[in-house]
Amino acid sequence: DQQVKQNSPSLSVQEGRISILNCDYTNSMFDYFLWYKKYPAEGPTFLISISSIKDKNEDGRFTVFLNKSAKHLSLHIVPSQPGDSAVYFCAASVGKLVFGAGTILRVKS
Amino acid sequence: DAGVIQSPRHEVTEMGQEVTLRCKPISGHNSLFWYRQTMMRGLELLIYFNNNVPIDDSGMPEDRFSAKMPNASFSTLKIQPSEPRDSAVYFCASSSSYNSPLHFGNGTRLTVT
Repeated sequence: DQQVKQNSPSLSVQEGRISILNCDYTNSMFDYFLWYKKYPAEGPTFLISISSIKDKNEDGRFTVFLNKSAKHLSLHIVPSQPGDSAVYFCAASVGKLVFGAGTILRVKS
Repeated sequence: DAGVIQSPRHEVTEMGQEVTLRCKPISGHNSLFWYRQTMMRGLELLIYFNNNVPIDDSGMPEDRFSAKMPNASFSTLKIQPSEPRDSAVYFCASSSSYNSPLHFGNGTRLTVT
C-alpha cells in the first residue's frame, strides 16, 4: 500500500526553466511533508518542508505547495540549474516518515 | 559534525551468509531509522528507534532481519541468512526529535550473490 506516490519516474527540463515535481498521498492524517534530494552514491538530503496548516513554503529557488483537498504536493524549482539534477523524494509524516519512490530530475544546459 | 556514518559502503556476500551493517548517528540525535532503497519500492522504512528503544519494526521484511541499538552512538542491522532479494542500498538516518528532518548516511550497497 503506497501511501505516498510520485507518478513521474523522471523529468527533463532546460536550464533556466521551471521544474515542477509532483506527489500525491492517500492518508489524510499526514501532518508534515518534506522533499529530499539525492545525488548518486550519497544519502538523501533534506530540501524543504511544509506543515499541513500551510499551503505554501518558499526557500530561495525552491517552493513547496500543498493542496490538502486534492491530497497533492508539488515542488517548484525556479530557475532550474544543472546542479539540481538529482533524484527527488517526497515524504509525508504521521508519526513516521513515508517516502515516495522518487523522481529523477535532469536539467539540461 | 561528521554526519551519520555508515559502514561498510559496499558489501558483497554469498547467499546464506550473515551480513551486519553499522551506523553511527549524529551526536545528540535521539531518533534513528533504517531504510532500504530498491528500484521497485523506493525508500522503505525498516525500523526506527527512539532513545535506543525500538518503536516500530513493522517494516522489517522477515525474521532474517534484526536491528539493535545498544547505545546512543551505535546501531546495527543484521541479515541472517542473506538472500539475493536482499540486495539493495541500506540507509541509516538520525534526527534530533521525532518529527524533525532526517539526516541520512551515505548508505551501504549490499549485493548478495
